[in-house]
Amino acid sequence: GAGVSQTPSNKVTEKGKYVELRCDPISGHTALYWYRQSLGQGPEFLIYFQGTGAADDSGLPNDRFFAVRPEGSVSTLKIQRTERGDSAVYLCASSLRGGGGGTQYFGPGTRLTVL
Amino acid sequence: TQLLEQSPQFLSIQEGENLTVYCNSSSVFSSLQWYRQEPGEGPVLLVTVVTGGEVKKLKRLTFQFGDARKDSSLHITAAQTGDTGLYLCAVNTGGFKTIFGAGTRLFVKA
Repeated sequence: GAGVSQTPSNKVTEKGKYVELRCDPISGHTALYWYRQSLGQGPEFLIYFQGTGAADDSGLPNDRFFAVRPEGSVSTLKIQRTERGDSAVYLCASSLRGGGGGTQYFGPGTRLTVL
Repeated sequence: TQLLEQSPQFLSIQEGENLTVYCNSSSVFSSLQWYRQEPGEGPVLLVTVVTGGEVKKLKRLTFQFGDARKDSSLHITAAQTGDTGLYLCAVNTGGFKTIFGAGTRLFVKA
């Protein structure tokens, strides 16, 4: 069966541009998570969706970051006015159930480079 | 200060050697997870430990949760080149948020 997929695998953009990163979770998984992983660090929590709603967005660093999951499946992480400090690998994970009780399955990530 | 401190940060050993990596905190947790991440991939869950003092084995990997549920260790016996990767510990901080340590990067040389 298909795992979590993320597109694009690599994205290079210029400072100030807008980017969208896509996550396709495992079919039937109601919970979806976004993380950011900087070089030499572990993943850092950004946002958690249960179904269509963002149940916890406390990890989003500022209002340039926004994520949606309109139909409870695919999610898009949107970053406005990108900055060089946004460069990182953005990971998506899904689980059958949320609330910390389900195993999270991670995608391979999108490597974002802001020049 | 990180919630989870992992040590060592980097470890390079010969195939066949044994090793232990650590995950420490001053906080008490209801459970703790260990993941392995290979280059270009997302982390993959290895094990979840729940009970203080619990020991879980996964082939050559032995995981232990401290009695006070503040720390954990991962011991690998007779390391193989396929064990190379980033080993991450993680906890759920009550609810939806999973917090990861910075990881131990293991390189096993043939």
